[in-house]
Amino acid sequence: DQQVKQNSPSLSVQEGRISILNCDYTNSMFDYFLWYKKYPAEGPTFLISISSIKDKNEDGRFTVFLNKSAKHLSLHIVPSQPGDSAVYFCAASGRSNDYKLSFGAGTTVTVRA
Amino acid sequence: DVKVTQSSRYLVKRTGEKVFLECVQDMDHENMFWYRQDPGLGLRLIYFSYDVKMKEKGDIPEGYSVSREKKERFSLILESASTNQTSMYLCASSFRGATYEQYFGPGTRLTVT
Repeated sequence: DQQVKQNSPSLSVQEGRISILNCDYTNSMFDYFLWYKKYPAEGPTFLISISSIKDKNEDGRFTVFLNKSAKHLSLHIVPSQPGDSAVYFCAASGRSNDYKLSFGAGTTVTVRA
Repeated sequence: DVKVTQSSRYLVKRTGEKVFLECVQDMDHENMFWYRQDPGLGLRLIYFSYDVKMKEKGDIPEGYSVSREKKERFSLILESASTNQTSMYLCASSFRGATYEQYFGPGTRLTVT
C-alpha cells in the first residue's frame, strides 16, 4: 500500500507560467519530505525538502508547501522553464520507516515553449 | 561531486539466469540502497545496507539478494531472473546520518525475456 501518492501522472504547462505538483501521504509519522527530479536516462536528483516543523521552504524558483493537517504537500515552480521538463517524485521519511524514503509514483512535467 | 555508477545501462537476460547488478560510490557513504522503478509505482526499496556486510530488507525483497563486501560497492543479485523482474534498477547512497539525502546512479534497464 503506497503511503505517498501523486495522483496526477502528468502536467503540461506553458513556459513562464506556474507549475503546481501535488502529493498526499497517509503516514502521520512522516516528518521530512523531499522532491526529487529525474531526467530520462539519469538517476533522480534531490531538488528541495521540508521538515514537518515548517509549512514552507523556498529555493529560487522552487517552493514546497506542507499542510500537515491535510497530509498534503505541493511543489510550485515559478516561472516554469523548458529545462524543468522531467519526472518529479515526492518522497517522505520518518522514524516509522527507519528514516528510509517512501516515494510517490511521480508526475511528468512538460513545459511548452 | 558525488558519483554513483552502475555497471550496465542496459541488460537483457533470459528467464532463469542469475543476474548481477553492480553499484559503486566514491563518497565514502555508509548507506547504500537498491530500488526498482516501475510506471505508476514510483521507486520501491528492494534492499539497503548501512555498513559493510550488513543488509536489511526493503519493501520488495522477494526474488533478490544483495552483497556488500566493500564499503564502496553494493551488488544486487537476481538468483533466477523472471519476467516480472523486468524493470529499471536504481542504486543510491547516503551518509549514515542523512538517510533521506540520497544520491542516485543513472540506473540499469533490465529486460528479462
